[in-house]
Amino acid sequence: DQQVKQNSPSLSVQEGRISILNCDYTNSMFDYFLWYKKYPAEGPTFLISISSIKDKNEDGRFTVFLNKSAKHLSLHIVPSQPGDSAVYFCAAKNNNAGNMLTFGGGTRLMVKP
Amino acid sequence: ETGVTQTPRHLVMGMTNKKSLKCEQHLGHNAMYWYKQSAKKPLELMFVYSLEERVENNSVPSRFSPECPNSSHLFLHLHTLQPEDSALYLCASSQDPVQRSSYNEQFFGPGTRLTVL
Repeated sequence: DQQVKQNSPSLSVQEGRISILNCDYTNSMFDYFLWYKKYPAEGPTFLISISSIKDKNEDGRFTVFLNKSAKHLSLHIVPSQPGDSAVYFCAAKNNNAGNMLTFGGGTRLMVKP
Repeated sequence: ETGVTQTPRHLVMGMTNKKSLKCEQHLGHNAMYWYKQSAKKPLELMFVYSLEERVENNSVPSRFSPECPNSSHLFLHLHTLQPEDSALYLCASSQDPVQRSSYNEQFFGPGTRLTVL
């Protein structure tokens, strides 16, 4: 049973528009959430994170929103750029579980020029 | 370039072969990880080594055998694999958090694409 789910396997967005990637989780013990970005032939790289004590974290064009009551988080990219085209993974850390992460299945984002 | 390298990048093997995947990190970290990414599935954590001791094994089949001779090197020994083991195998490293409630960023290698015939 997947504890972290990304229900959209792919998303296509026009350059300059907003990209919204969604992630749902089931484990209420998760207290820290991350987004990783993966280009073909490369490993995932860390993008942005949020602690469960916050509901928003912003870093440049990237903003992550956390809705704990709905067990939902989203990544907003605005404005989207063609270089943002990649697979985005949502991940979560269980409280008191050290560095162990549970990943979602990923969403492939395509930003069209 | 994340400071984590993996060799080989691609590997094709038969079910009776024995092969090994290698990972090396140049970041001075003290924890290393093996992940498996199958098609249309989430990344699955296979093994964690912290301070060169294995601290977690997520019920991975015994045909996968990890080895961590020092904090910079990690191997995954493979034998009598099945076609369903074909996947991208990713290595990662991090500084082990002092407190289990903390998190330190994991840095990933580019992966080894494994095909089992």
